[in-house]
Amino acid sequence: EVQLLESGGGLVQPGGSLRLSCAASGFAFSSYAMTWVRQAPGKGLEWVSSISGRGDSTHYTDSVKGRFTISRDNSKKTLYLQMNSLRAEDTAVYSCANNGGYDYYMDVWGKGTTVTVSS
Amino acid sequence: EIVMTQSPATLSVSPGERATLSCRASQSVSSNLAWYQRKPGQAPRLLIYGASTRATGIPDRFSGSGSGTEFTLTISSLQSEDFAVYYCQQYYNWPLTFGGGTKVEIK
Repeated sequence: EVQLLESGGGLVQPGGSLRLSCAASGFAFSSYAMTWVRQAPGKGLEWVSSISGRGDSTHYTDSVKGRFTISRDNSKKTLYLQMNSLRAEDTAVYSCANNGGYDYYMDVWGKGTTVTVSS
Repeated sequence: EIVMTQSPATLSVSPGERATLSCRASQSVSSNLAWYQRKPGQAPRLLIYGASTRATGIPDRFSGSGSGTEFTLTISSLQSEDFAVYYCQQYYNWPLTFGGGTKVEIK
């Protein structure tokens, strides 16, 4: 069974940093692209960032470019999201998902970890 | 950026009835369109990818259709567990974008 478990969320002050992790099991992790999606309170789903299976190709939504970095450790079957210079508008539940084959739809999702940016 | 627009925002349906949800793209996404179901406190679930292919384990009462800019998710006979928020997403190009969602509620 494919399982994704996020961790690392919490309360952080504006301008602060957090690193989210997503531990994967039940599938050939290195063969699949991975994605982070967030959902702010009362809002819809928003794509944040994606990374290829080998980690050599990354993509970001404009609002996080230069502040967030997606990475992966295939030996540990873990996906990361380093978030710097956090803003109030980054407050959301962050979920990881594995992507389907060569396409970037989100196949299986984790339940998410909550990030709150507030002073 | 491709803007995805879902309608209606809320759909009130009685159990056993048919529900039809729409998703429109601001430019063609070919068939690179997925649908997701989200219930409170649960992870989103992939229902449909490739505009019309059901994901593993998805009941056949869920069906997707369309290509280009107009897409439809149909739930043929709503069950109690189907009341949720549904999102469409294009993966034709970057950035990936979601629609704003359609909430299917009990009438």
